[in-house]
Amino acid sequence: KAGVTQTPRYLIKTRGQQVTLSCSPISGHRSVSWYQQTPGQGLQFLFEYFSETQRNKGNFPGRFSGRQFSNSRSEMNVSTLELGDSALYLCASNLGRYDDEQFFGPGTRLTVL
Amino acid sequence: KQEVTQIPAALSVPEGENLVLNCSFTDSAIYNLQWFRQDPGKGLTSLLLIQSSQREQTSGRLNASLDKSSGRSTLYIAASQPGDSATYLCAVKSGYALNFGKGTSLLVTP
Repeated sequence: KAGVTQTPRYLIKTRGQQVTLSCSPISGHRSVSWYQQTPGQGLQFLFEYFSETQRNKGNFPGRFSGRQFSNSRSEMNVSTLELGDSALYLCASNLGRYDDEQFFGPGTRLTVL
Repeated sequence: KQEVTQIPAALSVPEGENLVLNCSFTDSAIYNLQWFRQDPGKGLTSLLLIQSSQREQTSGRLNASLDKSSGRSTLYIAASQPGDSATYLCAVKSGYALNFGKGTSLLVTP
Protein backbone atom coordinates (compact mmCIF):
# COMPACT_ATOMS: atom_id res chain seq x y z
CA LYS A 1 0.00 0.00 0.00
CA ALA A 2 1.44 3.37 -0.96
CA GLY A 3 2.12 5.79 1.84
CA VAL A 4 1.16 9.42 2.18
CA THR A 5 2.65 11.49 -0.64
CA GLN A 6 3.28 15.21 -0.72
CA THR A 7 4.17 17.48 -3.60
CA PRO A 8 6.27 19.40 -4.19
CA ARG A 9 9.03 18.31 -1.83
CA TYR A 10 10.81 21.66 -1.92
CA LEU A 11 9.63 25.18 -2.65
CA ILE A 12 11.33 28.55 -2.65
CA LYS A 13 9.12 31.63 -2.65
CA THR A 14 9.49 35.32 -1.90
CA ARG A 15 7.60 37.37 0.63
CA GLY A 16 4.12 38.35 -0.46
CA GLN A 17 3.66 35.42 -2.82
CA GLN A 18 1.22 32.62 -2.27
CA VAL A 19 1.82 28.87 -2.37
CA THR A 20 -0.22 25.69 -2.68
CA LEU A 21 0.92 22.37 -1.25
CA SER A 22 -0.64 19.02 -2.09
CA CYS A 23 -1.16 15.83 -0.10
CA SER A 24 -2.43 12.44 -1.22
CA PRO A 25 -3.46 10.22 1.70
CA ILE A 26 -3.15 6.48 2.00
CA SER A 27 -5.86 4.76 -0.03
CA GLY A 28 -9.03 4.45 2.05
CA HIS A 29 -8.07 7.16 4.52
CA ARG A 30 -10.67 9.90 4.78
CA SER A 31 -8.99 12.25 7.24
CA VAL A 32 -6.10 14.51 6.30
CA SER A 33 -4.32 16.75 8.81
CA TRP A 34 -1.66 19.38 8.23
CA TYR A 35 1.15 20.32 10.60
CA GLN A 36 3.87 22.95 10.48
CA GLN A 37 7.31 22.11 11.86
CA THR A 38 9.85 24.79 12.74
CA PRO A 39 13.00 24.60 14.87
CA GLY A 40 11.60 27.08 17.37
CA GLN A 41 7.99 25.97 17.74
CA GLY A 42 8.26 22.29 16.90
CA LEU A 43 5.23 20.61 15.36
CA GLN A 44 2.00 22.60 15.38
CA PHE A 45 -1.43 21.57 14.12
CA LEU A 46 -2.85 23.61 11.26
CA PHE A 47 -6.14 21.93 10.35
CA GLU A 48 -7.89 18.65 9.64
CA TYR A 49 -10.21 17.72 6.81
CA PHE A 50 -12.66 14.83 6.81
CA SER A 51 -15.03 14.01 3.98
CA GLU A 52 -14.30 17.32 2.24
CA THR A 53 -15.11 19.38 5.35
CA GLN A 54 -12.76 21.16 7.68
CA ARG A 55 -13.40 19.37 10.93
CA ASN A 56 -10.83 21.09 13.14
CA LYS A 57 -8.54 24.08 12.98
CA GLY A 58 -5.45 25.12 14.87
CA ASN A 59 -4.36 28.57 15.95
CA PHE A 60 -2.99 29.95 12.69
CA PRO A 61 -3.95 33.15 10.84
CA GLY A 62 -6.48 33.15 8.04
CA ARG A 63 -3.64 33.29 5.48
CA PHE A 64 -3.46 29.54 5.97
CA SER A 65 -6.31 27.67 4.34
CA GLY A 66 -7.01 24.28 2.90
CA ARG A 67 -9.47 22.07 1.17
CA GLN A 68 -10.16 18.42 0.54
CA PHE A 69 -11.44 16.81 -2.62
CA SER A 70 -13.85 13.94 -3.06
CA ASN A 71 -10.96 11.50 -3.50
CA SER A 72 -9.61 12.64 -0.08
CA ARG A 73 -6.62 14.43 -1.58
CA SER A 74 -5.97 17.71 0.18
CA GLU A 75 -4.32 21.01 -0.60
CA MET A 76 -3.21 23.76 1.71
CA ASN A 77 -2.67 27.31 0.61
CA VAL A 78 -0.67 30.06 2.24
CA SER A 79 -1.25 33.58 0.96
CA THR A 80 0.90 36.66 1.43
CA LEU A 81 3.92 34.67 2.53
CA GLU A 82 6.05 35.93 5.40
CA LEU A 83 9.62 34.97 6.29
CA GLY A 84 8.28 33.16 9.37
CA ASP A 85 6.30 30.78 7.17
CA SER A 86 9.53 29.01 6.25
CA ALA A 87 9.03 25.52 7.63
CA LEU A 88 8.53 21.86 6.91
CA TYR A 89 4.84 21.26 6.21
CA LEU A 90 3.71 17.76 7.03
CA CYS A 91 0.52 16.03 6.03
CA ALA A 92 -0.92 13.06 7.91
CA SER A 93 -3.79 10.74 7.14
CA ASN A 94 -5.90 8.17 8.92
CA LEU A 95 -9.23 6.43 8.61
CA GLY A 96 -11.06 9.21 10.43
CA ARG A 97 -11.60 8.10 14.02
CA TYR A 98 -9.94 10.23 16.69
CA ASP A 99 -8.04 7.24 18.09
CA ASP A 100 -6.71 6.06 14.74
CA GLU A 101 -3.00 5.85 14.09
CA GLN A 102 -1.65 8.82 12.14
CA PHE A 103 0.60 8.25 9.13
CA PHE A 104 2.75 11.10 7.91
CA GLY A 105 4.11 12.02 4.52
CA PRO A 106 7.68 13.14 3.74
CA GLY A 107 6.79 16.82 3.99
CA THR A 108 7.21 19.90 1.83
CA ARG A 109 10.12 22.16 2.73
CA LEU A 110 9.05 25.77 2.13
CA THR A 111 11.64 28.52 2.13
CA VAL A 112 10.46 32.12 2.01
CA LEU A 113 13.08 34.68 0.95
CA LYS B 1 -4.01 22.73 27.04
CA GLN B 2 -2.00 19.52 26.70
CA GLU B 3 1.73 20.01 27.26
CA VAL B 4 4.16 17.27 26.22
CA THR B 5 7.74 17.16 27.49
CA GLN B 6 10.53 14.85 26.39
CA ILE B 7 13.66 14.16 28.39
CA PRO B 8 16.51 14.11 27.56
CA ALA B 9 16.65 16.53 24.63
CA ALA B 10 19.74 14.79 23.30
CA LEU B 11 21.45 11.48 23.99
CA SER B 12 24.65 9.88 22.74
CA VAL B 13 25.33 6.20 23.43
CA PRO B 14 27.73 3.55 22.14
CA GLU B 15 26.36 0.84 19.93
CA GLY B 16 24.81 -2.10 21.78
CA GLU B 17 23.47 -0.16 24.76
CA ASN B 18 19.88 -0.38 25.90
CA LEU B 19 18.29 3.01 26.37
CA VAL B 20 15.13 4.68 27.60
CA LEU B 21 13.49 7.83 26.26
CA ASN B 22 10.98 9.62 28.43
CA CYS B 23 7.80 11.49 27.63
CA SER B 24 5.45 13.24 30.04
CA PHE B 25 2.11 14.93 29.45
CA THR B 26 -0.11 17.13 31.59
CA ASP B 27 -3.65 15.96 30.78
CA SER B 28 -4.41 12.27 31.33
CA ALA B 29 -7.62 12.38 29.25
CA ILE B 30 -6.07 11.02 26.07
CA TYR B 31 -7.17 8.86 23.16
CA ASN B 32 -3.72 7.45 22.53
CA LEU B 33 0.00 8.14 22.41
CA GLN B 34 2.26 7.62 19.40
CA TRP B 35 6.03 7.43 19.16
CA PHE B 36 7.59 8.62 15.92
CA ARG B 37 11.04 8.65 14.44
CA GLN B 38 12.26 11.53 12.27
CA ASP B 39 15.45 11.50 10.24
CA PRO B 40 16.98 14.89 9.34
CA GLY B 41 14.83 16.79 6.88
CA LYS B 42 12.40 13.93 6.52
CA GLY B 43 8.85 13.12 7.53
CA LEU B 44 7.70 11.18 10.57
CA THR B 45 7.71 7.41 10.74
CA SER B 46 5.25 5.88 13.18
CA LEU B 47 6.98 3.44 15.53
CA LEU B 48 4.36 2.48 18.08
CA LEU B 49 0.80 3.44 18.93
CA ILE B 50 -0.55 2.87 22.44
CA GLN B 51 -4.28 3.30 22.94
CA SER B 52 -5.44 4.84 26.23
CA SER B 53 -6.67 1.44 27.47
CA GLN B 54 -3.30 -0.24 26.87
CA ARG B 55 -0.20 -0.33 29.07
CA GLU B 56 2.46 -1.20 26.50
CA GLN B 57 3.24 -2.08 22.91
CA THR B 58 6.22 -3.87 21.41
CA SER B 59 7.72 -3.93 17.94
CA GLY B 60 11.02 -5.69 17.42
CA ARG B 61 13.65 -4.02 19.60
CA LEU B 62 11.23 -1.28 20.66
CA ASN B 63 8.93 -1.31 23.65
CA ALA B 64 6.73 1.57 24.70
CA SER B 65 4.83 1.83 27.95
CA LEU B 66 2.03 4.13 29.01
CA ASP B 67 1.01 5.19 32.51
CA LYS B 68 -1.94 7.43 31.87
CA SER B 69 -2.62 8.26 35.51
CA SER B 70 0.87 9.66 36.04
CA GLY B 71 1.08 11.20 32.56
CA ARG B 72 4.16 9.27 31.48
CA SER B 73 5.37 7.12 28.62
CA THR B 74 8.73 5.53 27.99
CA LEU B 75 10.28 4.19 24.81
CA TYR B 76 12.79 1.43 25.42
CA ILE B 77 15.27 0.62 22.65
CA ALA B 78 17.19 -2.61 23.09
CA ALA B 79 20.66 -3.26 21.70
CA SER B 80 20.95 0.12 19.97
CA GLN B 81 22.50 0.36 16.49
CA PRO B 82 23.97 3.29 14.52
CA GLY B 83 20.91 3.12 12.26
CA ASP B 84 18.76 4.07 15.26
CA SER B 85 20.29 7.55 15.18
CA ALA B 86 17.42 9.97 14.64
CA THR B 87 15.06 12.26 16.53
CA TYR B 88 12.33 10.47 18.46
CA LEU B 89 9.06 12.29 18.97
CA CYS B 90 6.28 11.54 21.40
CA ALA B 91 2.78 12.68 20.44
CA VAL B 92 -0.38 12.61 22.52
CA LYS B 93 -3.88 12.62 21.05
CA SER B 94 -6.16 14.22 23.60
CA GLY B 95 -8.45 16.14 21.27
CA TYR B 96 -8.59 16.44 17.55
CA ALA B 97 -4.88 17.02 17.05
CA LEU B 98 -1.62 15.40 18.03
CA ASN B 99 0.34 17.35 20.63
CA PHE B 100 4.03 16.79 20.14
CA GLY B 101 7.02 16.99 22.42
CA LYS B 102 10.18 18.68 21.17
CA GLY B 103 11.85 15.31 20.68
CA THR B 104 14.96 13.46 21.82
CA SER B 105 17.88 13.56 19.40
CA LEU B 106 19.63 10.19 19.59
CA LEU B 107 23.13 9.44 18.33
CA VAL B 108 24.38 5.86 18.45
CA THR B 109 28.12 5.67 17.84
CA PRO B 110 29.86 2.58 16.38
